[in-house]
Amino acid sequence: DAGVIQSPRHEVTEMGQEVTLRCKPISGHNSLFWYRQTMMRGLELLIYFNNNVPIDDSGMPEDRFSAKMPNASFSTLKIQPSEPRDSAVYFCASSLEVVDYGYTFGSGTRLTVV
Amino acid sequence: AQSVTQPDIHITVSEGASLELRCNYSYGATPYLFWYVQSPGQGLQLLLKYFSGDTLVQGIKGFEAEFKRSQSSFNLRKPSVHWSDAAEYFCAGGYNKLIFGAGTRLAVHP
Repeated sequence: DAGVIQSPRHEVTEMGQEVTLRCKPISGHNSLFWYRQTMMRGLELLIYFNNNVPIDDSGMPEDRFSAKMPNASFSTLKIQPSEPRDSAVYFCASSLEVVDYGYTFGSGTRLTVV
Repeated sequence: AQSVTQPDIHITVSEGASLELRCNYSYGATPYLFWYVQSPGQGLQLLLKYFSGDTLVQGIKGFEAEFKRSQSSFNLRKPSVHWSDAAEYFCAGGYNKLIFGAGTRLAVHP
């Protein structure tokens, strides 16, 4: 299995631009999580899906952030418009059940907004 | 509020020395507990997990962790550290979603 695949690995964009991060979970996993990692705030859960349905989006910072999971093999996290304070590493993770087996993380997308 | 606390931000040990990384949790009941390791520029890798039963759990790379309900702790240990263990270690806990501690950065002196 190729693991959780995230793209792009690095993204540099100008303030005000739309950014879309992509994630392909492990086949058969029914839960997907988006985390953001910064030096100041550590790992923050932004949103998670179970069976493609958003369950908890309380960690989404503001309306500029949105996430979708149109099918079991693909999810996107979109920031529109982007701001410099959105610069961070964004991780996607998936699991068989919501918690029981632990999460498998992707390699992350390092986003820089200038 | 539910939380996971790692009191040590940075730890330095000598190669071959023993290691203990601390983790405390605050939940209404015992959550599922995990330890992850992150190497620079990489994602997080699961080291071990605790659900119930035996309070001493074994993980990969020679790590183990002990759950102590009375202390609300889940400390990670390794008897002899290798230089390749230098990384950041995260404790996490939860029921239906994981909350991560702030991490402990481990440096290993040769």
